[in-house]
Amino acid sequence: ELQLVESGGGLVRPGGSLRLSCAASGFTFSRYWMTWVRQAPGKGLEWVANIDQYGREKYSVDSVKGRFTISRDNAKNSLYLQMNSLRAEDTGMYYCARGGGASGWCIPWGQGTLVTVSS
Amino acid sequence: EVVLTQSPATLSLSPGERATLSCRASQSVSNSLAWYQQTPGQAPRLLIYDASNRATGIPARFSGSGSGTDFTLTISSLEPEDFAVYYCQQGSHWPPYTFGQGTKVEIK
Repeated sequence: ELQLVESGGGLVRPGGSLRLSCAASGFTFSRYWMTWVRQAPGKGLEWVANIDQYGREKYSVDSVKGRFTISRDNAKNSLYLQMNSLRAEDTGMYYCARGGGASGWCIPWGQGTLVTVSS
Repeated sequence: EVVLTQSPATLSLSPGERATLSCRASQSVSNSLAWYQQTPGQAPRLLIYDASNRATGIPARFSGSGSGTDFTLTISSLEPEDFAVYYCQQGSHWPPYTFGQGTKVEIK
């Protein structure tokens, strides 16, 4: 069964850091682009970043450039999002998804991990 | 950046009725458009990709159409589990991938 399980969310103060993880199973992780999407409370979806199968091509939305870094470890079937200099507007549910880039559309999605940035 | 505008914001319908949701792109995205469904407390689920192809396991009552800048998601006869929020996403001009703001289909 295809499965993505996010972890690492929590409450952090403005300016702080968090590292999100996404553990993949049920498919050959190293063959797919992977994506992070977030959703502020009560709001719509926002694409955050994606990464190619090899970890070489990485793209992110302008609002997180210079603060967030996407990475992956194919040996561990894991995707990461290092988030630094967090702001209140970064608060929300963070989903990882298989796909994006040359791997097409995002399917499936994990259940998400909640990040709250507040003092 | 491609802006996707969904309409209406909210659609109030009864079970068994037909739902028609619209997504308009600020520039042509060819057929590179997907539709996702999100129920409360759940992750989004891919329904339609490449404008008109149903994802695996998606019931035939869901259909997508359109190309260029105008797209439509149709639910032929609403089931209770279809009351949810629906998002379109374009995959033609990225980064960034962009989503519409969503259409909520609620029970009338």
